[in-house]
Amino acid sequence: EAQVTQNPRYLITVTGKKLTVTCSQNMNHEYMSWYRQDPGLGLRQIYYSMNVEVTDKGDVPEGYKVSRKEKRNFPLILESPSPNQTSLYFCASSRDRGEEQPQHFGDGTRLSIL
Amino acid sequence: GNSVTQMEGPVTLSEEAFLTINCTYTATGYPSLFWYVQYPGEGLQLLLKATKADDKGSNKGFEATYRKETTSFHLEKGSVQVSDSAVYFCALSDHRTGNQFYFGTGTSLTVIP
Repeated sequence: EAQVTQNPRYLITVTGKKLTVTCSQNMNHEYMSWYRQDPGLGLRQIYYSMNVEVTDKGDVPEGYKVSRKEKRNFPLILESPSPNQTSLYFCASSRDRGEEQPQHFGDGTRLSIL
Repeated sequence: GNSVTQMEGPVTLSEEAFLTINCTYTATGYPSLFWYVQYPGEGLQLLLKATKADDKGSNKGFEATYRKETTSFHLEKGSVQVSDSAVYFCALSDHRTGNQFYFGTGTSLTVIP
């Protein structure tokens, strides 16, 4: 089954404790992206990747890191999480740039930073 | 810069009512436009898309027409069902100025029997 898998689905942690949210897709997609969803703000793009070893900042990259060492994986790293990063996070992938190809979204990761 | 503005919700309709969710955009280039739908507890799914002016996207009874003159991409459905209850997001991607996606704030739709 074609899917985007995020882990964990839920996480409660404390300020400053490094965490990683994993994202994996099994569709051989080139384009992958991370979003955060906040009430009243919709989805905002954090980082995206056009292919292996190619990553670019989205609208809200501050406080986040990503890496794309393999085509299928695109982890999101919070080196020193803060409460303002409490949010619902989505990973997505598409066959190429995505302006004409649909993005496939994971089921989301709800992070709470205390 | 690029941005998307959606009508605020929540929207509550009776079954078989006509639906319109307004979406306008600002773009510096030639964007592609999308509507995504999010059901409770799930990720977003592409509902429909249009890649150039005057294109009409359609799927599952929903339609939206890319209007460059009014910079709009309003979502419509002639007769909604309870199963259409979800959050709807308008989005754009402007591949000429980058590879980013821009989403609206989302409009929550509840259809009551």
